[in-house]
Amino acid sequence: NAGVTQTPKFRILKIGQSMTLQCTQDMNHNYMYWYRQDPGMGLKLIYYSVGAGITDKGEVPNGYNVSRSTTEDFPLRLELAAPSQTSVYFCASSYQLAGGPPDTQYFGPGTRLTVL
Amino acid sequence: KQEVTQIPAALSVPEGENLVLNCSFTDSAIYNLQWFRQDPGKGLTSLLLIQSSQREQTSGRLNASLDKSSGRSTLYIAASQPGDSATYLCAAPGAGSYQLTFGKGTKLSVIP
Repeated sequence: NAGVTQTPKFRILKIGQSMTLQCTQDMNHNYMYWYRQDPGMGLKLIYYSVGAGITDKGEVPNGYNVSRSTTEDFPLRLELAAPSQTSVYFCASSYQLAGGPPDTQYFGPGTRLTVL
Repeated sequence: KQEVTQIPAALSVPEGENLVLNCSFTDSAIYNLQWFRQDPGKGLTSLLLIQSSQREQTSGRLNASLDKSSGRSTLYIAASQPGDSATYLCAAPGAGSYQLTFGKGTKLSVIP
């Protein structure tokens, strides 16, 4: 198993440009997450999904959009990039039993994004 | 809202020393607590997940404890090695939530 894969690894955007960060997992996990990590700060949840077709906002969703058309893929879309979106973005996945406690989250290697 | 604090922010120890990393959380009605390791420029790797019904969880030289009543968890690393150098993060969900709140991490340096 490859686990959680993310593309691209690095990207530089100009203000106002758009892009999609790709995330794929091959562990048949139902839950998937997008986090951002800023220097000296903990990870902040952007969006999460509990299954195909179901997404919900996390702590910092503004400026981002997600979709979950398959179990495996959970892309993150940045519209009208701003310097405040310069960060490292991590995708994660986990398997949750209905009504059960949170289980171990498995993380991808991250995408380092700079907006100039 | 859950808040997670890790102290110290950075720690430097000589090789072979035993050490303890601390994590505190404000909302004690948690399902479980997770410890992660992050190497520079890399993603997070799960180390231990300790359920709310457990008091300790062990994996090799690592031992995590959980005291819900005091809102604290510790990660004990025995006989530290240079390869243990990394940032260690703890994360806990809020009450009734599956969403993890992360601490800012403790950056550990093990000096040969």
